[in-house]
Amino acid sequence: GAVVSQHPSWVICKSGTSVKIECRSLDFQATTMFWYRQFPKQSLMLMATSNEGSKATYEQGVEKDKFLINHASLTLSTLTVTSAHPEDSSFYICSARGADDTQYFGPGTRLTVL
Amino acid sequence: QQQVKQSPQSLIVQKGGISIINCAYENTAFDYFPWYQQFPGKGPALLIAIRPDVSEKKEGRFTISFNKSAKQFSLHIMDSQPGDSATYFCAASGNFGNEKLTFGTGTRLTIIP
Repeated sequence: GAVVSQHPSWVICKSGTSVKIECRSLDFQATTMFWYRQFPKQSLMLMATSNEGSKATYEQGVEKDKFLINHASLTLSTLTVTSAHPEDSSFYICSARGADDTQYFGPGTRLTVL
Repeated sequence: QQQVKQSPQSLIVQKGGISIINCAYENTAFDYFPWYQQFPGKGPALLIAIRPDVSEKKEGRFTISFNKSAKQFSLHIMDSQPGDSATYFCAASGNFGNEKLTFGTGTRLTIIP
């Protein structure tokens, strides 16, 4: 149980385009999901907290207009990187909070912007 | 005050040995301390977690030791195996895990034959 999936697992896009990443809790409902980014050999950096049916809460320094988060249902949250640039290339990981308050992480999405 | 300091940055242990990773925190409001294991190109997976009402928790070969007065906690991996080679992150949260996680900087563990 407590499986979180992400789609796609990797994506390559051209500079200036937008990319959408999906995060799904497969066997449980999650009122709260989190989005992280991770650079090589570094720790996870929280970008935003997403609550179902309400606006996401962004961490300091994260551009909310660039990283659009939607949490429209109890099993799905999406992160859209708008007008992506090479510096946005990173490993994006979502997590979903289960009923036991444990955060279960997805497998991550590798974004490469050319 | 929100930081979680983790050491060492990297660790090499012989197969069958004990791997020990340490973390320290400052925020006394933290009351939930999980450890995550991450393999290259994968998301982190929860290994074991502890709350401050106990000083030790053991699950198989993995043990968390918790020292509330020193604001420190550590992960011990007994009988370390090559398959344990991964990056380990400690984390901390308040409100019994209901708040966002603050992660340590990670420890890259390598188990050699």
